[in-house]
Amino acid sequence: DQQVKQNSPSLSVQEGRISILNCDYTNSMFDYFLWYKKYPAEGPTFLISISSIKDKNEDGRFTVFLNKSAKHLSLHIVPSQPGDSAVYFCAASALRGSGNTGKLIFGQGTTLQVKP
Amino acid sequence: ETGVTQSPTHLIKTRGQQVTLRCSSQSGHNTVSWYQQALGQGPQFIFQYYREEENGRGNFPPRFSGLQFPNYSSELNVNALELDDSALYLCASIPREAGPLGGDTQYFGPGTRLTVL
Repeated sequence: DQQVKQNSPSLSVQEGRISILNCDYTNSMFDYFLWYKKYPAEGPTFLISISSIKDKNEDGRFTVFLNKSAKHLSLHIVPSQPGDSAVYFCAASALRGSGNTGKLIFGQGTTLQVKP
Repeated sequence: ETGVTQSPTHLIKTRGQQVTLRCSSQSGHNTVSWYQQALGQGPQFIFQYYREEENGRGNFPPRFSGLQFPNYSSELNVNALELDDSALYLCASIPREAGPLGGDTQYFGPGTRLTVL
């Protein structure tokens, strides 16, 4: 049962253009969402997060949008740079509720390639 | 640089053997989570330790066990290794001020690549 899905395994974008990575989730108890970036031979690195009380969060070139009714979030990178080439994971957590442990549920990842 | 280290970086074992993977967190990070990442998949939560006690577990059998030590290090032990245990094992530590919920403050190590033959 894949509660967090990234349906696009890969994305290729030209440098300077916008990269849009998508993520869908099924569990309505999720109330906190995160994006991580992962380079080969490194662990995932936190990029940006959003709480379910918001629909947008921006940090420099990175913006995350949350559509709760559609159970969908997206990460926008503008402008894209070659150094952004990596695997991007979305993750979800249910911070409220009993017995929560801060467990993150990850999607399968999307490999982003930004071409110079 | 997250300050989280893992050892060894690579490991090859045979089916039925036992393995211990190690993680060293930053000082003050009193919560650690372990994840398994199979090839082409996202990390899957194994369990979390908070103040040296297990604080939540994912859908993994009891042959996956862990320990957390007062010096902010931890171990993941896997008994009776199976071929499907081949994966990248990641630990993530959480600062004391964040509490066990973590949120956006889980700092991942580079992982240990385990191959079971």
